[in-house]
Amino acid sequence: GESVGLHLPTLSVQEGDNSIINCAYSNSASDYFIWYKQESGKGPQFIIDIRSNMDKRQGQRVTVLLNKTVKHLSLQIAATQPGDSAVYFCAENMYGGSQGNLIFGKGTKLSVKP
Amino acid sequence: KAGVTQTPRYLIKTRGQQVTLSCSPISGHRSVSWYQQTPGQGLQFLFEYFSETQRNKGNFPGRFSGRQFSNSRSEMNVSTLELGDSALYLCASSPGQGPLRGYTFGSGTRLTVV
Repeated sequence: GESVGLHLPTLSVQEGDNSIINCAYSNSASDYFIWYKQESGKGPQFIIDIRSNMDKRQGQRVTVLLNKTVKHLSLQIAATQPGDSAVYFCAENMYGGSQGNLIFGKGTKLSVKP
Repeated sequence: KAGVTQTPRYLIKTRGQQVTLSCSPISGHRSVSWYQQTPGQGLQFLFEYFSETQRNKGNFPGRFSGRQFSNSRSEMNVSTLELGDSALYLCASSPGQGPLRGYTFGSGTRLTVV
């Protein structure tokens, strides 16, 4: 039969507002986390990463927060722009990112209204 | 600096056939990982190659195989294609050891099995 598509959570924000995208990760042994942005027809694009010995990391317009107690990641995008519209994935890794597989979350679709 | 190059971009194959996909990593990167992306299952890790050796493997049947050449280019093969193998196949490259800033993905090969 036909595959049922993933029901992606959707976040709709107004241009200029801040966006917060959340992710629950699965493995308490994971020690490296990445946020990716995927636009239609393209591969995932690296946004920002964080290691488990940190709880916050800032980039240009983006901030990642890590709460290991509840196995939760969030991505904050400041002053969201139409070009930020995409699907956002969190990914986790057990090897400090030096090898091995990335385990991806289901993704969140961000829509930015001009 | 060239990014990760995947060829071909699109493929249509018949059920029962086999297919080979190619990935050229970023120059100097020694690790290549492969992922399958479908609407139903999201992004799933297939395997990782580092210095011509399979270093990690996901939960896919033996019909999915890969290899890596001495120049770090990698190929992925799927034998006895099934309709459910229709997906976007992504490869990602990284230096493969030491601290890193994420994995860089190619744009993928869209495989359709009919």
